Amino acid sequence: QQQVKQSPQSLIVQKGGISIINCAYENTAFDYFPWYQQFPGKGPALLIAIRPDVSEKKEGRFTISFNKSAKQFSLHIMDSQPGDSATYFCAASSVTGANSKLTFGKGITLSVRP
Amino acid sequence: DGGITQSPKYLFRKEGQNVTLSCEQNLNHDAMYWYRQDPGQGLRLIYYSQIVNDFQKGDIAEGYSVSREKKESFPLTVTSAQKNPTAFYLCASSLGVLSNQPQHFGDGTRLSIL
Repeated sequence: QQQVKQSPQSLIVQKGGISIINCAYENTAFDYFPWYQQFPGKGPALLIAIRPDVSEKKEGRFTISFNKSAKQFSLHIMDSQPGDSATYFCAASSVTGANSKLTFGKGITLSVRP
Repeated sequence: DGGITQSPKYLFRKEGQNVTLSCEQNLNHDAMYWYRQDPGQGLRLIYYSQIVNDFQKGDIAEGYSVSREKKESFPLTVTSAQKNPTAFYLCASSLGVLSNQPQHFGDGTRLSIL
């Protein structure tokens, strides 16, 4: 059972465009939603994260939008650059409980064309 | 610079052989994690540890073993019982096991079968 589903599976965007990656979750107990960015041969790095008490969070060119009723959240990359080309993972977990663990989506590959 | 060091970067295993992957952190983090990454599969949790001398199985612990004798170190042994060990292995750490504390990743070890 895949608790966190990402779409699309891959994405190609022109330089300067907006990249949008979507994530859907099933477990209503989830209340922490980070996005990770991974370059080839490297480990993932935390990009931005959101709690469900806010509907949107922005850090520079990166924005998370959160829709609690639809159990969906998305990452928007404004003014996409070739350097943004990477694999992006959404994840989710519950901060309650003694052994909270992150559940990751399968990742999507973003290519930004010059 | 604080961070997580994984070694070696590449590792080859012969049939029937156990191999150990090293993970060291100097972030003074209590919690450490091991993930396995396969193409198109996202990150799957193998083992995690909240404190020294304590660790718990993740979602795919069969064929793996760990130890946590020091706060800085969390080595992973891939045993001969793991029949499909070829993958990219990632070590991570966080201040604590609660999921809203960001996980910091190393740059991984790629394990292949000879």
